[in-house]
Amino acid sequence: EDQVTQSPEALRLQEGESSSLNCSYTVSGLRGLFWYRQDPGKGPEFLFTLYSAGEEKEKERLKATLTKKESFLHITAPKPEDSATYLCAVQATGGSYIPTFGRGTSLIVHP
Amino acid sequence: KAGVTQTPRYLIKTRGQQVTLSCSPISGHRSVSWYQQTPGQGLQFLFEYFSETQRNKGNFPGRFSGRQFSNSRSEMNVSTLELGDSALYLCASSGGQGAGYTFGSGTRLTVV
Repeated sequence: EDQVTQSPEALRLQEGESSSLNCSYTVSGLRGLFWYRQDPGKGPEFLFTLYSAGEEKEKERLKATLTKKESFLHITAPKPEDSATYLCAVQATGGSYIPTFGRGTSLIVHP
Repeated sequence: KAGVTQTPRYLIKTRGQQVTLSCSPISGHRSVSWYQQTPGQGLQFLFEYFSETQRNKGNFPGRFSGRQFSNSRSEMNVSTLELGDSALYLCASSGGQGAGYTFGSGTRLTVV
């Protein structure tokens, strides 16, 4: 069974304090790993897809990296507007293509 | 281009009633998936429709059902509502099986 574990569950940062969120996964074979951002009361917003170990993607202050067992979402010099829940999902090869989501990391950035 | 539209945004229903939620996907997207999100369980997959056919189904009781129309719009129905059905119901459309989802803003269902 595919499993996705995100840590920490919650993270509080001061504005400008860089940090990383972790997504550990167990799948028989990885087709893709997705990162989403979700603001309160809204649906998740797609950020990145990573397909193979060593791949990196960047968007503004966010950089996602991928290894064979985990992915990191690095947040550089965060701002209060980066406060949100960040969700990770994995899609396995074969099977149904339906992604398995982690529980998310709730990030709060204080000014 | 227009995003994924879900209606209504909020619903309050009584136990035992039934409810129908609607989702209009991004134009050109033929795959529509439904998820239930709760604080305790996170995002749980309900079902996926593609070209009017249910292609995948999650582990939910038969009270949860859905359908897709020829214009790719989708509806989900929950019958005999229970208190535990209170959740944010999210619809997502996708342009392909390997592509990421575009989610709607969700329907917040409260069962009292």
